[in-house]
Amino acid sequence: AQSVTQLGSHVSVSEGALVLLRCNYSSSVPPYLFWYVQYPNQGLQLLLKYTSAATLVKGINGFEAEFKKSETSFHLTKPSAHMSDAAEYFCAVSAGGTSYGKLTFGQGTILTVHP
Amino acid sequence: EAQVTQNPRYLITVTGKKLTVTCSQNMNHEYMSWYRQDPGLGLRQIYYSMNVEVTDKGDVPEGYKVSRKEKRNFPLILESPSPNQTSLYFCASSLVGQGPDQPQHFGDGTRLSIL
Repeated sequence: AQSVTQLGSHVSVSEGALVLLRCNYSSSVPPYLFWYVQYPNQGLQLLLKYTSAATLVKGINGFEAEFKKSETSFHLTKPSAHMSDAAEYFCAVSAGGTSYGKLTFGQGTILTVHP
Repeated sequence: EAQVTQNPRYLITVTGKKLTVTCSQNMNHEYMSWYRQDPGLGLRQIYYSMNVEVTDKGDVPEGYKVSRKEKRNFPLILESPSPNQTSLYFCASSLVGQGPDQPQHFGDGTRLSIL
């Protein structure tokens, strides 16, 4: 079985401040991990993904995430927030083998950016 | 333009009246999936399909049916809708790789209200 927990349903930062969105996962097999972003009234867009090639993953719009197996975490960061980063962010986990195709999402974190 | 198209975008209906939400993709993707999004719960997978005539249950399949007769289409059927199926629904598609690392492309969502 696999699961994802996102710590903090709402995160608020000032423009230019560090963004840190937390994600912890549980998986019985080596996981594939994703961060997606959802802007209002839109579907989800992929920000970045971890597939075991490198533990530090860079994505679009200046975001990056670090896979830490010992902590079962995949936190999303951005050094300097921009107003356009305001959205809802979802962490997701998938696994191969007999679970290929199952994708489990976290509860989501709404990011608010203040001027 | 590569896209996943869902119809309708909005629907208000009554309990027990069968409905179908269509999903079509033009990217020749093998994998397609349906999710429902509810506040505080993130996205939960309803059904997925690895290819034509191959479907499997996700985490919340009760009350839903799917079919995959053509590669591009993956309709979601609610035979007897109930108010607890009021939600925002997303269809997604992706290629099938050696591992479940292919990013999913999402439609813009269908908001269903069942009275």
